[in-house]
Amino acid sequence: EDQVTQSPEALRLQEGESSSLNCSYTVSGLRGLFWYRQDPGKGPEFLFTLYSAGEEKEKERLKATLTKKESFLHITAPKPEDSATYLCAVGNYGGATNKLIFGTGTLLAVQP
Amino acid sequence: GAVVSQHPSWVICKSGTSVKIECRSLDFQATTMFWYRQFPKQSLMLMATSNEGSKATYEQGVEKDKFLINHASLTLSTLTVTSAHPEDSSFYICSAGWGETQYFGPGTRLLVL
Repeated sequence: EDQVTQSPEALRLQEGESSSLNCSYTVSGLRGLFWYRQDPGKGPEFLFTLYSAGEEKEKERLKATLTKKESFLHITAPKPEDSATYLCAVGNYGGATNKLIFGTGTLLAVQP
Repeated sequence: GAVVSQHPSWVICKSGTSVKIECRSLDFQATTMFWYRQFPKQSLMLMATSNEGSKATYEQGVEKDKFLINHASLTLSTLTVTSAHPEDSSFYICSAGWGETQYFGPGTRLLVL
């Protein structure tokens, strides 16, 4: 069964304290791995798509990497405005077009 | 690009009434749209997949007669919660597929009294 597990559930950082969020997945055929950011009371905001092991993508203080079993979202020198829930999702071949399987998210709090 | 809107953003209704939520892709066409439900401090729960011009595909445990989905055009899908009850109160979020990626709307908060 296709599955996505995110860790930790919650993470508290001091401003400037770099860290990583983990997304482990099992999927029959990876169509893509997606990272989203969700602020309270809002819909998820798309961050990155990764398609194959070894791929990396960056956006400001965020960098996403992918292996055959997991993905990491690295946050470098975070700021309080990076506080949000970060969601990981995978798409699999054989499933409905664009259908995603979501993890439960990591709630990140960055304190000034 | 890839902007998705939802309307309304907030709705309060009495028990037994029906509520319609609209989801629009503003700058792209989406043959597939998705409807999710999210409870406080929980992740997204997929309710159904909406395909333009055909019947929606509902996830296991979701009542298709209660949550009516219509995808009449490539830019509009609607979710109607029929005979709403307090337990239907939740945050409903739609998304639209563009390429491999889903882009999400801002969500609709439903409160049934």
